[in-house]
Parts: sequence; structure tokens; C-alpha cells
Amino acid sequence: NAGVTQTPKFQVLKTGQSMTLQCAQDMNHEYMSWYRQDPGMGLRLIHYSVGAGITDQGEVPNGYNVSRSTTEDFPLRLLSAAPSQTSVYFCASSQDRFYEQYFGPGTRLTVT
Amino acid sequence: KNEVEQSPQNLTAQEGEFITINCSYSVGISALHWLQQHPGGGIVSLFMLSSGKKKHGRLIATINIQEKHSSLHITASHPRDSAVYICAVHFSGTYKYIFGTGTRLKVLA
Repeated sequence: NAGVTQTPKFQVLKTGQSMTLQCAQDMNHEYMSWYRQDPGMGLRLIHYSVGAGITDQGEVPNGYNVSRSTTEDFPLRLLSAAPSQTSVYFCASSQDRFYEQYFGPGTRLTVT
Repeated sequence: KNEVEQSPQNLTAQEGEFITINCSYSVGISALHWLQQHPGGGIVSLFMLSSGKKKHGRLIATINIQEKHSSLHITASHPRDSAVYICAVHFSGTYKYIFGTGTRLKVLA
């Protein structure tokens, strides 16, 4: 099993550009989530999904969109990048929200 | 006030020392997780607790629901334990995970 994979590992965007961070898991997990990690702050939940076709907002959803068309994939879209979105982004999955979470390796995003 | 507080923020220990990292939270929870973030950035789940105590190798995690407090202990610490240890809490009745800011541990040889 590959576990949770994320692409790209690094990305530099200019303000106003859009892009999609990819996340995939091969463990047939229903629960998937996106977090951002900023210096001095804990991981913060952006969006989550409890199954294909079902998504909801987390703590810091503004400026991000998600969709979940399959169990395996949970892409995160930045609509119009801003410097405040410079961060490290982690995708995670788990069998259910109460179970152990498996994290992807992260994407380091810089917006100039 | 942060909903999840960890202490200490930074910890330096000598190899072989017994280490304790603490996590306190504000309201009722469904589960508490301890995570380890390696210097390279990867995050690994260590434990999930809803009550009592769990042990895995040299790591022990305990939780006291009444006191809203959890501890992560490392026995016979080793330089390879150097990492950031993060407490994450799943609050009752929500889908939210709230993370502490982490404890940066450095174990010296």
C-alpha cells in the first residue's frame, strides 16, 4: 500500500493564480481531511469529507474548495492564491473520524 | 484561550532520561490522539485514546477524562526520539480535530 500520497511536494505560486493540490489514499478510508500548518500554530482543519460526495468546512475554509468524487481522491483547490496561504498542507485519511489518522508527506506552498 | 494546550513547548533531555509531555483540553472529547512529526516534516500517529492507558514499545500514553488531561511518556529516551510531539483532540458532537502547537523534543547523546 502506498498509504496517503500528495502532489506536488513543493509549489511556488504568484498572487492570484489558482492550483489544485492532489491527495490520494489506497486504504479505502471514508474520512479524509486537509490541514494547513503554520509556524507557531497547530495544524488547522481546512475541509473534510466523510465519504464520496460528502464534504464540509473545517476551521479555515476561506479561499479553498474541495470535492470528493471517489473514495480514493480528495483534491484541494486554491481559487486565487494569496500570500496568507503560504503554508505546509497535509492531507490525512482514516477509517472513520474516531480512528487513527494517516498523513500524507505534505506540500510546501509559497505564494509570492 | 486555546482549546488544546501542550507543555512544555520545548524540551531538551539527555539520552536515557524519562520524558513526559502534557496535553490539557477545555471541553468533553470523543478521542485524543498523540502524533509525532519528524524533522523532515512527516507526521505519524502514535496513539488514539478515549480512556485509560496505552503502551507501545518505550512510549506510554495516558488520559484522565475527569481532569481533561493526557500525558505522553517516553522511557529510556534516545536521540532518534527527537521530534515534535503533537496532541490532537476530537471534541464530542463535532467533526473537528483541534491540534496543540506541539512540543519540540531534542534528545542529546
